[in-house]
Amino acid sequence: GIQVEQSPPDLILQEGANSTLRCNFSDSVNNLQWFHQNPWGQLINLFYIPSGTKQNGRLSATTVATERYSLLYISSSQTTDSGVYFCASSNTGNQFYFGTGTSLTVIP
Amino acid sequence: NAGVMQNPRHLVRRRGQEARLRCSPMKGHSHVYWYRQLPEEGLKFMVYLQKENIIDESGMPKERFSAEFPKEGPSILRIQQVVRGDSAAYFCASSQIGGQGLREQYFGPGTRLTVT
Repeated sequence: GIQVEQSPPDLILQEGANSTLRCNFSDSVNNLQWFHQNPWGQLINLFYIPSGTKQNGRLSATTVATERYSLLYISSSQTTDSGVYFCASSNTGNQFYFGTGTSLTVIP
Repeated sequence: NAGVMQNPRHLVRRRGQEARLRCSPMKGHSHVYWYRQLPEEGLKFMVYLQKENIIDESGMPKERFSAEFPKEGPSILRIQQVVRGDSAAYFCASSQIGGQGLREQYFGPGTRLTVT
């Protein structure tokens, strides 16, 4: 299966700071998603981005499929951004492989 | 509520009992995925189903676990004779049919299974 590596594993930010989270995957993919798992355990869709760049408010994401990585940018971080960020990928649509996540803590 | 629904949200079972977890996909979605998340870990794929068909169950343990998605009603993940190691959060996701394997998944709130 596809190996998905996320970095950094842990991140502590002061409120208002910016950050970049990275997701590397070991094979070509046609599905790539970013999720935020909030402290209550819910998984929230952030981006479906198998290639290209998308923006949604303070968040944006870029996937460079040919180089097998995706980046999630968080600008002007807020305490509500705390939680774990996962990327998940698939090249068949049958099985999706998740990374181990980046745990983000935003301090007021 | 047009989102993915799972119930129960919390389930406590004693060792040896059966656990049944239910998932209703988003309206218009015909694909369902089940995942398991152990504490402090990422999600692990278990099974992928379409209505009345299991498409990929390569992540499902060979014994005690089964899944179905009948023509009518929710998808069911069934765990027989539960053991303590089955304690985890079980998430369901649904997606629409997409060409060339394109699938954007939407997740339910999960079922937290505790085996005592």
